[in-house]
Amino acid sequence: EPEVTQTPSHQVTQMGQEVILRCVPISNHLYFYWYRQILGQKVEFLVSFYNNEISEKSEIFDDQFSVERPDGSNFTLKIRSTKLEDSAMYFCASSVYRGEQYFGPGTRLTVT
Amino acid sequence: GESVGLHLPTLSVQEGDNSIINCAYSNSASDYFIWYKQESGKGPQFIIDIRSNMDKRQGQRVTVLLNKTVKHLSLQIAATQPGDSAVYFCAEKENFNKFYFGSGTKLNVKP
Repeated sequence: EPEVTQTPSHQVTQMGQEVILRCVPISNHLYFYWYRQILGQKVEFLVSFYNNEISEKSEIFDDQFSVERPDGSNFTLKIRSTKLEDSAMYFCASSVYRGEQYFGPGTRLTVT
Repeated sequence: GESVGLHLPTLSVQEGDNSIINCAYSNSASDYFIWYKQESGKGPQFIIDIRSNMDKRQGQRVTVLLNKTVKHLSLQIAATQPGDSAVYFCAEKENFNKFYFGSGTKLNVKP
């Protein structure tokens, strides 16, 4: 069964550093998403991406964040200058239509 | 889209009983809703969805009910099994493609 994959599973970085989180969505999916989940809290929407551009973004997704689909398979989330409060689990998801989303296993980002 | 606070309610049920998990949503313009299951250390897993032009949808052992009048969503799980133990989130879609999640309910199934 096809699945969304994410790398790395755990990323430790120092405050102020740039990080890139990588995702490989399911191959025939058209909609791509990034979410984050701070430990013990709810899943928070960051951004959705369709037709090679951002379709929606949340208040969290400020100028420090960017997304890219550099080729036909990868979908990346970049945080330019990480802050302590960026520490969270980051989930990538993809869907065929604007509905049933398949989530990856997540990348745990720890900012020290 | 913020409908539930940070407190995580817990529902404990006996194996074999039916479970009902509730969710309140905030935006009357939301037109699509999803229930997700999240097991410890994993990403959310789609369970069932419903569009706003419906008030009930059934899947395998699960039923979602939508009451637009009071902006309430529920997930019913029949014959709950130990493997159903997880945190359950509802999510609502706003605008084109923005999803807001509730804070979740932890389901604990006792054998």
